[in-house]
Amino acid sequence: EVQLVESGGGLVQPGGSLRLSCAASGFTVSSNYMSWVRQAPGKGLEWVSVIYSGGSTYYADSVKGRFTISRHNSKNTLYLQMNSLRAEDTAVYYCARDDYGDKGAFDIWGQGTMVTVSS
Amino acid sequence: DIVMTQSPDSLAVSLGERATINCKSSQSVLYSSNNKNYLAWYQQKPGQPPKLLIYWASTRESGVPDRFSGSGSGTDFTLTISSLQAEDVAVYYCQQYYTGRVTFGPGTKVDIK
Repeated sequence: EVQLVESGGGLVQPGGSLRLSCAASGFTVSSNYMSWVRQAPGKGLEWVSVIYSGGSTYYADSVKGRFTISRHNSKNTLYLQMNSLRAEDTAVYYCARDDYGDKGAFDIWGQGTMVTVSS
Repeated sequence: DIVMTQSPDSLAVSLGERATINCKSSQSVLYSSNNKNYLAWYQQKPGQPPKLLIYWASTRESGVPDRFSGSGSGTDFTLTISSLQAEDVAVYYCQQYYTGRVTFGPGTKVDIK
């Protein structure tokens, strides 16, 4: 079965760090474009970061310099390292497969993991 | 970044009636070399992740009922639900993937009248 399962969310103080994981099954993370998308409570979708199959990475301006996307090929897992967290980073974080070669859109999504930044 | 806008913010439609959602991009998302519009539509129900409905502006994802259709080109797009069902109550988002820094519209909430 093709699926993505996120983990690692939780409550963290402002200025703290957290690492999110996204375990994939049924397809190979390193052969695909993979993105993180977040959704603040009651708000819309915001793209956060992408890692291309070739390894290039890109970030939204709101997280550039604070967040790092990476992957572990043998674990078939995507990561998002989040540092210097702010209250405005509070959101559900989804990982998604970007089917760039065929549909071009995000065709597989995880269930999401909640990150709360609060003192 | 390309800015996506949607209208209306919300709409209520009777069961079996048509629902129409509009999406506009701040610049064209039509790639001239392949004549494809880099525009997708997603459905999100409460407590669930988004689900891909439409890609390339008008291609229905596998398993999506044919009452959902997408149209438009360039900067103006439409998602139509031809006969609203109770299970279609959700928020609908458009997304451009013309640029690597994808952007989403603010969403349109669809309810039953």
